[in-house]
Amino acid sequence: DIQMTQSPSSLSASVGDRVTITCRASQTISSNLNWYQQKPEKVPKLLIYAASSSQTGVPSRFSGSGSGTDFTLTISSLQPEDFATYYCQQTYTTPYTFGQGTNLEI
Amino acid sequence: EVQLVQSGVEVKKPGESLRISCKSFGYSFTSRWISWVRQMPGKGLEWMGRIDPGDSYTTYSPSFQGHITISADKSFNTAYLQWGSLRASDSAIYYCARTNSRYGLDVWGQGTTVTVSS
Repeated sequence: DIQMTQSPSSLSASVGDRVTITCRASQTISSNLNWYQQKPEKVPKLLIYAASSSQTGVPSRFSGSGSGTDFTLTISSLQPEDFATYYCQQTYTTPYTFGQGTNLEI
Repeated sequence: EVQLVQSGVEVKKPGESLRISCKSFGYSFTSRWISWVRQMPGKGLEWMGRIDPGDSYTTYSPSFQGHITISADKSFNTAYLQWGSLRASDSAIYYCARTNSRYGLDVWGQGTTVTVSS
């Protein structure tokens, strides 16, 4: 299985901050990397697919980059509604493994 | 509107069987795979497996292989996740999600909470 490692596991930030979350794959996954946001008690939501493509309706402050094994999710200016847990996931090969999550706190 | 609607809360005893469902609306059911994802209380997301509703070809995560069965009935635009013998450790929220290797899991069901307790 491909292991996905996110860092950091948790992060404290303030409204207006620029935040970067990193995801590393244990082997190359091309650009088959997706990012999800999950708020407490809510359904996960796709933010970014194919490493850098924004899902329809996602605010432009969210961006993704990377290819191969190293990927980043950047939030350019944190808003109150962005405090949540973020997961990366590879869909290069099954099993489609998720990272362990990054809890973004105020 | 594209959506996946899952069946409701389940409370079962260890050893019992269970099947939960995921019905699609607003798109061609056979055009995209359906994945199932587990989230145990307070934990992260775990991909369990996927099915191609067109031909019912399934792929399982090794972590779940042999304990679950994923199926689909394209006549009813519905995918299923079932267990033959539940364990307490199966207590979790289970999500279905429309899946594509390039576009990720782009549409999610609302989740089905399963509680297994004696």
